[in-house]
Amino acid sequence: GAVVSQHPSWVICKSGTSVKIECRSLDFQATTMFWYRQFPKQSLMLMATSNEGSKATYEQGVEKDKFLINHASLTLSTLTVTSAHPEDSSFYICSARDALFLSLGGYTFGSGTRLTVV
Amino acid sequence: GENVGLHLPTLSVQEGDNSIINCAYSNSASDYFIWYKQESGKGPQFIIDIRSNMDKRQGQRVTVLLNKTVKHLSLQIAATQPGDSAVYFCAETYSGTYKYIFGTGTRLKVLA
Repeated sequence: GAVVSQHPSWVICKSGTSVKIECRSLDFQATTMFWYRQFPKQSLMLMATSNEGSKATYEQGVEKDKFLINHASLTLSTLTVTSAHPEDSSFYICSARDALFLSLGGYTFGSGTRLTVV
Repeated sequence: GENVGLHLPTLSVQEGDNSIINCAYSNSASDYFIWYKQESGKGPQFIIDIRSNMDKRQGQRVTVLLNKTVKHLSLQIAATQPGDSAVYFCAETYSGTYKYIFGTGTRLKVLA
């Protein structure tokens, strides 16, 4: 079945540095990828929609310059948290929609990245 | 967003009993609904889905019921097992958009 690999699974960084999270579709081409943020004991909040070869569409309230998204190929999208601060600490999850819509539920989710900013 | 600041309700059930997890969705135009299971530190896993032209759909040990009149979705898990312990989210979407909106979530605890 469709598999999405997200890396790293966890990262600790110092305040002020930038962190890149990768989301790869391993056995399918992902025309659209989504980035979510999840705080402890809360639901998934959509941050942005990433389309291959075009600029990401950000949800209201999400800072474009802080959360840089690049979807350079049909199998890779990256989220870069720039100048990270402790309030950016969260669980970040990507999901991918395959062009043939083979994923159950339409999308396959990555395993998430736990970001801790100290 | 509709989920900001909310904390997960918890449902505790005895092993072997049936579980019913409820979800109220927000958009009357939504026509596709999905239940996901999320274990600690992992991404959501697909459980079952249903389209708005159906009221009920069954899978292996799971059943989803949809009541469009009151915008309510439920997930029934038969003979709940310890491995079912997780957080369960419903998600809604509608034709013409790729966005999924996730519900609050419910933590299911299976008691031995």
